[in-house]
Amino acid sequence: KAGVTQTPRYLIKTRGQQVTLSCSPISGHRSVSWYQQTPGQGLQFLFEYFSETQRNKGNFPGRFSGRQFSNSRSEMNVSTLELGDSALYLCASRFEVNSPLHFGNGTRLTVT
Amino acid sequence: EDKVVQSPLSLVVHEGDTVTLNCSYEVTNFRSLLWYKQEKKAPTFLFMLTSSGIEKKSGRLSSILDKKELFSILNITATQTGDSAIYLCAVSDGGSQGNLIFGKGTKLSVKP
Repeated sequence: KAGVTQTPRYLIKTRGQQVTLSCSPISGHRSVSWYQQTPGQGLQFLFEYFSETQRNKGNFPGRFSGRQFSNSRSEMNVSTLELGDSALYLCASRFEVNSPLHFGNGTRLTVT
Repeated sequence: EDKVVQSPLSLVVHEGDTVTLNCSYEVTNFRSLLWYKQEKKAPTFLFMLTSSGIEKKSGRLSSILDKKELFSILNITATQTGDSAIYLCAVSDGGSQGNLIFGKGTKLSVKP
């Protein structure tokens, strides 16, 4: 069974630009979550989608948004990039709310 | 505020040593506690614990949960250099659709 796939692996953007990250969950998983990982803050929850609906949202500004498609694939968008948005963005999927999350390899975003 | 605290933050041991990693938590609606290992990019799932006092074991790794004292430990016996990684503890909050709250992690370095 293929794991969680994230693209691209690396991104370099400049301040003010916007970026879209993509995630394909494990087959059969309808829940997709996004996390931001930085050395100082660790893993912080961004949002979770289930059956194309945002089910839960973390404490991030509105510049961070996402969506989920009917095939469970998800995208995350960050607009008006700031230097502090530089981080590893991890996507994770799970079968149901009581199942463990399975993570992708992440997208390393660098904002200059 | 819900939080998960891991200790120590970093640890250096030699091959063959036994290590114990700690995770304490304060969560309003506890559902489960999970351990992950992060080597390069994707955190990989190790254990999910929901009941107190029941040890989960996988090879040289084992973990147990104490819901009365609100903590869990992860033990690694006969450590190997391949155990070098960041170990993450996360608690699933049942009140928010199972959102995972992560600790900052323990960085384990195993020297040959």
